[in-house]
Amino acid sequence: GAGVSQSPRYKVAKRGQDVALRCDPISGHVSLFWYQQALGQGPEFLTYFQNEAQLDKSGLPSDRFFAERPEGSVSTLKIQRTQQEDSAVYLCASSLGTYNEQFFGPGTRLTVL
Amino acid sequence: GQNIDQPTEMTATEGAIVQINCTYQTSGFNGLFWYQQHAGEAPTFLSYNVLDGLEEKGRFSSFLSRSKGYSYLLLKELQMKDSASYLCAVRRSGGYQKVTFGTGTKLQVIP
Repeated sequence: GAGVSQSPRYKVAKRGQDVALRCDPISGHVSLFWYQQALGQGPEFLTYFQNEAQLDKSGLPSDRFFAERPEGSVSTLKIQRTQQEDSAVYLCASSLGTYNEQFFGPGTRLTVL
Repeated sequence: GQNIDQPTEMTATEGAIVQINCTYQTSGFNGLFWYQQHAGEAPTFLSYNVLDGLEEKGRFSSFLSRSKGYSYLLLKELQMKDSASYLCAVRRSGGYQKVTFGTGTKLQVIP
């Protein structure tokens, strides 16, 4: 498929566990965004990459959250020592550039018990 | 910073017209997006306005007034499949032009 893909689609973690969420953007898209979406809310910005450079990480809630895009394509969002308040849907989006509309992946629903 | 307001929920009848409003306050403005999000699915792009006026795309139209900090999404000939959340998102000027989303309006279309 030509869309944005994310894996896993669902993740259940025990409190304190580390998790890694993967995003495969549309080929050739320079910009990549991570969002957190709580139930009934809009997507909240977490971080932004332009190619492999992380230009904005101001939305990451704490230092337990870390994102990387080492080769400018696939990105991973890592959450260390998960807490119950981390439970949400994590959306990845990519775009040709920041002037263009964003294409979203299906998201990863994280549940922390 | 940015502040985006939209109604939380709306209900409309199949075949009717519905208008979803969005007001925003931002320190720098460079465009407004509307996205549709069905429950449990990813947001999908509907429209983009950067100049004042109405943009029409089939059954959906979007309007922007920059001086009033106001936009609306107009859905005509409503269908049951239009039941979804509609997200207003504002792009700021400067830097990499970050996009901020509103909380969304959940639209229920009833027979």
